[in-house]
Amino acid sequence: EDKVVQSPLSLVVHEGDTVTLNCSYEVTNFRSLLWYKQEKKAPTFLFMLTSSGIEKKSGRLSSILDKKELFSILNITATQTGDSAIYLCAVSKDTGKLIFGQGTTLQVKP
Amino acid sequence: DTGVSQNPRHKITKRGQNVTFRCDPISEHNRLYWYRQTLGQGPEFLTYFQNEAQLEKSRLLSDRFSAERPKGSFSTLEIQRTEQGDSAMYLCASSLVQNTEAFFGQGTRLTVV
Repeated sequence: EDKVVQSPLSLVVHEGDTVTLNCSYEVTNFRSLLWYKQEKKAPTFLFMLTSSGIEKKSGRLSSILDKKELFSILNITATQTGDSAIYLCAVSKDTGKLIFGQGTTLQVKP
Repeated sequence: DTGVSQNPRHKITKRGQNVTFRCDPISEHNRLYWYRQTLGQGPEFLTYFQNEAQLEKSRLLSDRFSAERPKGSFSTLEIQRTEQGDSAMYLCASSLVQNTEAFFGQGTRLTVV
């Protein structure tokens, strides 16, 4: 059965800290891995990763995929209170269907 | 606003009633997905369409749930004889083709009392 597991499930840090969120997967017919940020409502797209070892960056956020070890990490440097959200990892199968992990809830304290 | 649009945003219904939700995807997107999300969980796949064809339906979905996408544009999700366990956020997403990023609507929060 397809499975996406995120860790930790929740995390509390202070502004300025750096955090690393983990996502491991066991999914047949893997095509890509996606990260989303969810603040109370709809998930908003952050990154899509298809190739191993190539880091994607957007401001203070970066992510990398390891297709051999079947995991991805999402790094956030110099965290701000506005980074507080649920971070969702999802694996896209060859059909386009997304299999989501349970999410990591990040709280950034001032 | 050219994003994915869902209506209504909130729905409260009595157990046993039928409800219908609507999703308008981004106009040129041919893939449309429905997900359900409960508190503390990631979104759970329900079904998806390519144009008007429903290509897959989750085996977790009971026969009380049905979805349509007539003419390959907007989609509706109907839940018949609602139960309290149906209370959740129902999310719609669309993508241009498979394997490109999916964009989500704001969701419809269903509460069954």
